[in-house]
Amino acid sequence: GAVVSQHPSRVICKSGTSVKIECRSLDFQATTMFWYRQFPKKSLMLMATSNEGSKATYEQGVEKDKFLINHASLTLSTLTVTSAHPEDSSFYICSARGGSGANVLTFGAGSRLTVL
Amino acid sequence: QKEVEQNSGPLSVPEGAIASLNCTYSDRGSQSFFWYRQYSGKSPELIMSIYSNGDKEDGRFTAQLNKASQYVSLLIRDSQPSDSATYLCAVNPGFQKLVFGTGTRLLVSP
Repeated sequence: GAVVSQHPSRVICKSGTSVKIECRSLDFQATTMFWYRQFPKKSLMLMATSNEGSKATYEQGVEKDKFLINHASLTLSTLTVTSAHPEDSSFYICSARGGSGANVLTFGAGSRLTVL
Repeated sequence: QKEVEQNSGPLSVPEGAIASLNCTYSDRGSQSFFWYRQYSGKSPELIMSIYSNGDKEDGRFTAQLNKASQYVSLLIRDSQPSDSATYLCAVNPGFQKLVFGTGTRLLVSP
């Protein structure tokens, strides 16, 4: 089945620094990947849709200059949280459609970001 | 009105019982519906997908869809303590993306 690898699983950083999270589709090509954010005991909120070779589509209320998304190849999308602040601490999860179940989202394991 | 609504729970059932999880959605044009299970601190994993009205069974899980009532449910038969998790209902309103409900926390007691 389709596998999505996400790295790092946990990251702690200081306020003002930037953090990059990688999302890779291991055994399929993903022209579209999705980035979600989840706060404790809350649901997944779609942040943006990452499109290979073009600009990401951001959901309303998500700052594109703060959450930089790059989808440079068919198997890799990155999310960079720039000038991170404590309120950016959250669980970030990427997902992709692909493999035999093209209508089904496969999720990465998630990245827990803690900003001190 | 939220796009996808679920009771947050917790829903407590004894081991061996049937757990019934419900979800309503607002976009009448939605065509694809999914149930994901999420353990604490982990990412969601797909349990069931359903696209047409009626029931769909997979092992101990049965998904039910009623598009006229804009209602999706998940039944878990012979519930096990390992089924204790948060169950997320997700709806595809189009444009590829999924919209998630807030999830229902299920607790299965031994």
